[in-house]
Amino acid sequence: QKEVEQNSGPLSVPEGAIASLNCTYSDRGSQSFFWYRQYSGKSPELIMSIYSNGDKEDGRFTAQLNKASQYVSLLIRDSQPSDSATYLCAVKGPLNAGGTSYGKLTFGQGTILTVHP
Amino acid sequence: KAGVTQTPRYLIKTRGQQVTLSCSPISGHRSVSWYQQTPGQGLQFLFEYFSETQRNKGNFPGRFSGRQFSNSRSEMNVSTLELGDSALYLCASRFDRGGTEAFFGQGTRLTVV
Repeated sequence: QKEVEQNSGPLSVPEGAIASLNCTYSDRGSQSFFWYRQYSGKSPELIMSIYSNGDKEDGRFTAQLNKASQYVSLLIRDSQPSDSATYLCAVKGPLNAGGTSYGKLTFGQGTILTVHP
Repeated sequence: KAGVTQTPRYLIKTRGQQVTLSCSPISGHRSVSWYQQTPGQGLQFLFEYFSETQRNKGNFPGRFSGRQFSNSRSEMNVSTLELGDSALYLCASRFDRGGTEAFFGQGTRLTVV
């Protein structure tokens, strides 16, 4: 089982729709979760971070975390063509032999989102 | 506030050579992590430095090494380059060693021929 798994893509939605991106993780002790957006040929850009169970909203983006189910998701409302990119789920961890992960992020394989006009 | 700066942006090297990549973190950030991104393996953690000390290391061979200077700038070195080392190398900086957010530089695209 991969440490961080994202729903297989690519995902295609019409402009104005809600895009739903999902991610599961295997390390039950993980505490910090992030969503990055990566345009083709560019580096990842942080768009959301979430640390507590529940929802966190920032503009058109909502991150949802359920630690009991080891599940984190990203909703993009009113999707725009400019949202077309690869979305990467990242989890801080897993713990190393010394019992800490420090700043290590483990990434999912990414979901390619295309928003068509 | 300046972001994370990586140099050079592009590199072409020959098998067997070595390469050094540089990363200047956001001002005030003391933690620097390095990642390798390839189409097949995705983003993989190489190592993290904090206060000039390597705090964590990923599953890469010893040909991959790094260091951090007192001003938090970091370098990574790859010796005896192999074709499979062709990748986008990304540096990420964070404020402290723990759970805060990480911001990536533009990356260095390394091509080994």
